[in-house]
Amino acid sequence: SSELTQDPAVSVALGQTVRITCQGDSLRSYFPSWYQQKPGQAPVLVIYGRNIRPSGIPDRFSGSNSGNTGSLTITGAQADDEADYYCNSRDISGYHPVFGGGTKLTVL
Amino acid sequence: QITLKESGPTLVKPTQTLTLTCSFSGFSLRTTGVGVGWIRQPPGKALEWLALIYWNEDKRYNPSLKSRLTITKDTSRNQVVLRITDMDPVDTATYYCGQFNSMTAMHWGQGTPVPVS
Repeated sequence: SSELTQDPAVSVALGQTVRITCQGDSLRSYFPSWYQQKPGQAPVLVIYGRNIRPSGIPDRFSGSNSGNTGSLTITGAQADDEADYYCNSRDISGYHPVFGGGTKLTVL
Repeated sequence: QITLKESGPTLVKPTQTLTLTCSFSGFSLRTTGVGVGWIRQPPGKALEWLALIYWNEDKRYNPSLKSRLTITKDTSRNQVVLRITDMDPVDTATYYCGQFNSMTAMHWGQGTPVPVS
């Protein structure tokens, strides 16, 4: 089992705001990174560090952290945002990367 | 522009050793802070980090697979190689390599599917 826990599935109405969460003890010390993966494609980094978006990622994606929970928020979800989302951070030792189990986002 | 591409066999038999090569461009493994790592994804399942090598030869391995993994780099050829011994059908997955900054995979290759049968 992963040291980072995600809800398996979340849905959001088109144009609404959705929050995808990631829980783990290591998140009390480290920011999670977030990846979007569409079917048949490699993951793409959408948020890392203290809410940093790589070049080309729309500003409707944002990240936050509170206690042992990291969140990816999509403000004004689009049909193109329908995908699997994975968080990643360090394990509790701080020495290895670890990924969450992923959240399937459906845009209704 | 940073690109990574994985290459390896199209089929592996149980008990064999899998050798995967990540060929990259647009960055150097001589640059401080840079790493290249491997992540896999079984069909329909989640991502699993396997191994990571940094610019300074620091190597990290998934503790649950450490005894079977070896990661090496050839800085002059811009390649990183991962070897996994004693392959099993449960190791069937798409294998990705990625450029890492600390523990974040900043850029990913397209992945290479590896069936074990």
